[in-house]
Amino acid sequence: DTEVTQTPKHLVMGMTNKKSLKCEQHMGHRAMYWYKQKAKKPPELMFVYSYEKLSINESVPSRFSPECPNSSLLNLHLHALQPEDSALYLCASSRVDMGLAGYEQYFGPGTRLTVT
Amino acid sequence: KNEVEQSPQNLTAQEGEFITINCSYSVGISALHWLQQHPGGGIVSLFMLSSGKKKHGRLIATINIQEKHSSLHITASHPRDSAVYICAASRRETSGSRLTFGEGTQLTVNP
Repeated sequence: DTEVTQTPKHLVMGMTNKKSLKCEQHMGHRAMYWYKQKAKKPPELMFVYSYEKLSINESVPSRFSPECPNSSLLNLHLHALQPEDSALYLCASSRVDMGLAGYEQYFGPGTRLTVT
Repeated sequence: KNEVEQSPQNLTAQEGEFITINCSYSVGISALHWLQQHPGGGIVSLFMLSSGKKKHGRLIATINIQEKHSSLHITASHPRDSAVYICAASRRETSGSRLTFGEGTQLTVNP
């Protein structure tokens, strides 16, 4: 199974709502990533979890709160978002092995978020 | 100057044509990735390479470490190849792999 799944596919939320995005993989990968992608732009890294611990936070506003409850699951909790946060949110996973030259990342299909 | 630069930004081809997309990077990397993104979002990893050349079907990726340059070639292009192709450089870190992305190349292949 080389699939990363994300739910929901689409989400519309108001600025006062609280919602969560979910990501799941069963490839045994111990690194998981959240990216934000605006239209016609490349993805921007938001967070990296390694062995279920947050290892990189790219100065993301606190209205985005990541969580990694186990090695297969990654959540992104959303609260008090702004309209400019509307974007495609992508999850990815990869191996964490020091012996390799690099790690292929496997991406999910994304959640298209609209903040009204 | 971006750490990873791609050219061209947009490319239109006729079905059957040979296509080349170029990528230059200015940082030390552990690997160079080529990714494909179709309209609707999902990103697929096409190649990850740290030296030489890789081939998968009609796709070929090459890298020249000394010149810090990589190319993605598509032979006998087809309308279904229409997508955004993204070059990304990775640096190995203990936390996994941080990707630095190019701006992408929008490829349109007309029948």
